[in-house]
Amino acid sequence: GAGVSQSPSNKVTEKGKDVELRCDPISGHTALYWYRQSLGQGLEFLIYFQGNSAPDKSGLPSDRFSAERTGGSVSTLTIQRTQQEDSAVYLCASSFGPPETQYFGPGTRLLVL
Amino acid sequence: AQSVTQPDIHITVSEGASLELRCNYSYGATPYLFWYVQSPGQGLQLLLKYFSGDTLVQGIKGFEAEFKRSQSSFNLRKPSVHWSDAAEYFCAAPGGTASKLTFGTGTRLQVTL
Repeated sequence: GAGVSQSPSNKVTEKGKDVELRCDPISGHTALYWYRQSLGQGLEFLIYFQGNSAPDKSGLPSDRFSAERTGGSVSTLTIQRTQQEDSAVYLCASSFGPPETQYFGPGTRLLVL
Repeated sequence: AQSVTQPDIHITVSEGASLELRCNYSYGATPYLFWYVQSPGQGLQLLLKYFSGDTLVQGIKGFEAEFKRSQSSFNLRKPSVHWSDAAEYFCAAPGGTASKLTFGTGTRLQVTL
């Protein structure tokens, strides 16, 4: 079956612009996660959605970052007023809910110039 | 706070040699533990997981890992490495809440022919 998909695969933007990253989870998975992978920080948790519950936003690094999940499926991670330190690979994962295995998408590589 | 440590940043082995990648965790209760592999430009692929029961866990691609509570370790092993195993390997455990994973810093495996 189809895995987690993310788009775009690569995104180059200018400092100060807004970007939107999209994640399509595995069908039937109720939980969705966003992580960031950067050279200096490794893999960091950003945000977690589970069903209709309020999301766990504890990993978002600043209020420039936000995410939503529509209809319990597709999720969009938005970064406003991008900064160069936002350059990273943004990974999405989905699961049947913790502690079940998280399955990862291929990531979106973001470069802020 | 819960943490995962991978002491080896980079390991080089010859094709056909055995492999052991180290992972130590800090976690109060019996943890759920995972090993993921990431090939260049790819997302993370699950190799194996430990939830409970038998402490020796078999995974895909001939990998196995052993959970040792007394040593707080979950080392990954393979008896004979193939050139295609060259990749980065991440150990992960729940990060305080079951809703997110805390990852180690990763071990990059290089395989020489």
